[in-house]
Amino acid sequence: GENVEQHPSTLSVQEGDSAVIKCTYSDSASNYFPWYKQELGKGPQLIIDIRSNVGEKKDQRIAVTLNKTAKHFSLHITETQPEDSAVYFCAANSGGYALNFGKGTSLLVTP
Amino acid sequence: KAGVTQTPRYLIKTRGQQVTLSCSPISGHRSVSWYQQTPGQGLQFLFEYFSETQRNKGNFPGRFSGRQFSNSRSEMNVSTLELGDSALYLCASKDAGLLTDTQYFGPGTRLTVL
Repeated sequence: GENVEQHPSTLSVQEGDSAVIKCTYSDSASNYFPWYKQELGKGPQLIIDIRSNVGEKKDQRIAVTLNKTAKHFSLHITETQPEDSAVYFCAANSGGYALNFGKGTSLLVTP
Repeated sequence: KAGVTQTPRYLIKTRGQQVTLSCSPISGHRSVSWYQQTPGQGLQFLFEYFSETQRNKGNFPGRFSGRQFSNSRSEMNVSTLELGDSALYLCASKDAGLLTDTQYFGPGTRLTVL
């Protein structure tokens, strides 16, 4: 089955700096790659997603890049703010309609 | 549109009991998936229902079961609860059930097994 690896597991940045989280996947048939943000006591919230026919997607301070050949995709957050502090999960779909998630990255943005 | 809702939000049970969790998807969404989230294992897929049929199942024992009703609402049931079943159970819905549809999560049900 699909295996999604996510790095780093924790990330601490200064407010205003950029944060990058990287994921790799194993199933070459995967074609949908969402990123979720989870705050304490809440369910995961979709922040951006990318499909395999696109190499990059941007939404304000958030961008995702996809390299299908290397089977990796990354989340980039620019001009980080304290409210960006949360756990971020990458995921990839598998042939059976399920999403396989990475283990998560705990991002801390310090003022 | 209202988001995905889950009830109850918190639940405490004892070993050996059974529990039923409920999920109401976003209006118009026909696919409902369930996930278990624990600190050690992360987010793990339980099963997915589409138009009242289980379309996919994760690697969980038969004690975990689910169903979907004609209005797309879904329930999951865990029988003979074990301590290790303590987790946040998340429900997610998507529109037409395509592989690349965006999936939206509910707030989860926090189950504690004593």
